[in-house]
Amino acid sequence: QVQLVQSGAEVKKPGASVKVSCKASGYTFTDYGVSWVRQAPGQGLEWMGWISTYNGNTNIAQNLQGRVTMTADTSTNTVYMELQSLRSDDTALYYCARDYHKAQGAFDFWGQGTVVTVSS
Amino acid sequence: DIQMTQSPSSLSASVGDRVTITCRASQSIGSYLNWYQQKPGKAPKLLIYAASSLESGVPSRFSGSGSGTDFTLTITSLQPEDFATYSCQQSYSSPTFGPGTKVDIK
Repeated sequence: QVQLVQSGAEVKKPGASVKVSCKASGYTFTDYGVSWVRQAPGQGLEWMGWISTYNGNTNIAQNLQGRVTMTADTSTNTVYMELQSLRSDDTALYYCARDYHKAQGAFDFWGQGTVVTVSS
Repeated sequence: DIQMTQSPSSLSASVGDRVTITCRASQSIGSYLNWYQQKPGKAPKLLIYAASSLESGVPSRFSGSGSGTDFTLTITSLQPEDFATYSCQQSYSSPTFGPGTKVDIK
């Protein structure tokens, strides 16, 4: 069965970086792109960007360009999202989500989420 | 970016009620509209894709309609497990989500 398993919770200080992993199983990794979506406490969902697991191409949300790096390791079927220069408003639940093959831009499977807390 | 709005932001309903949630895009997005259900502490679950297509395994009491800028999610007979937050998402361009509609028990 398809699974996306994310790394554990992180607590970081302002200005630091965080790297969250998302390990995929149950399907051919390179057949589906992966997006990262975050949700600040009590807020809606925010798409952060997308990576092609086939060739590593990325599309990062404009407001996060320069701070977010997404990579994919086909040897371990794992996608990574690194967020730099953390601020308090980066405190959120971070999800990875798989592209849905039936609908452009929809997401059919999601990771369990990783809490990132930014606090001094 | 395309902005998504939803109404209402919350609603109270009873089991068996018919519930309608609307979603509006700031520009035409064709049928590139998806709906998700999210329960507290859980990841979103895809319910409807391409405005009106029911995702496999989702009960038929859920339906979606609309095109262009105005969309609707309808739950025909609300069940106890349907109390959750519902969000629309456009996939016409870089994805954006609506703010969500929380459905709770009256």
